[in-house]
Amino acid sequence: QKEVEQNSGPLSVPEGAIASLNCTYSDRGSQSFFWYRQYSGKSPELIMSIYSNGDKEDGRFTAQLNKASQYVSLLIRDSQPSDSATYLCAVRRSGYSTLTFGKGTMLLVSP
Amino acid sequence: DAGVIQSPRHEVTEMGQEVTLRCKPISGHNSLFWYRQTMMRGLELLIYFNNNVPIDDSGMPEDRFSAKMPNASFSTLKIQPSEPRDSAVYFCASSLLLRTGVFNYGYTFGSGTRLTVV
Repeated sequence: QKEVEQNSGPLSVPEGAIASLNCTYSDRGSQSFFWYRQYSGKSPELIMSIYSNGDKEDGRFTAQLNKASQYVSLLIRDSQPSDSATYLCAVRRSGYSTLTFGKGTMLLVSP
Repeated sequence: DAGVIQSPRHEVTEMGQEVTLRCKPISGHNSLFWYRQTMMRGLELLIYFNNNVPIDDSGMPEDRFSAKMPNASFSTLKIQPSEPRDSAVYFCASSLLLRTGVFNYGYTFGSGTRLTVV
């Protein structure tokens, strides 16, 4: 089982819709969770972090964490074409000071 | 703040040659990470330094790879000899570790070095 799994996509949504990106992780003791956005040919940039169960909202972005199900998701409301990118889920596993990344989900928002 | 600075942006080299990638972390950050990204394997951690000391190098593929951090403002990743399978984008990232496992806020990545070994 891979440590951090994401559907590679592409996930296609129309402009203005809600995009839902999902991530599962294998280490039940994982404590910190991050979402990074990576445009083609660019470096990853941090958009959200979440540490406790529940929802965390920041503008159009909402991160959701369910540690019992080992599941973290990112919702993007009112999706814009500029949101088209690959979204990477990253997890800090218990006992580690480093992040393990999923391979990312490509999101395409069509005008 | 200039962010994490990597050089060169692109490197094309012949198999068997030595390659050196460079990184300047954000001033005040005490942790530095080298990652490699490929389509097949995604982002993989190569090595992690804390306060200039290598803490975790379990991701370094083999003896051909070496990394140094002689001071808080500079790190190098060297591949000698290089092979075509080393072709990838190499990212350096830095962060401020407050205590074990607790960073002030995620990592900041540099713009990466795209390495092509022919």
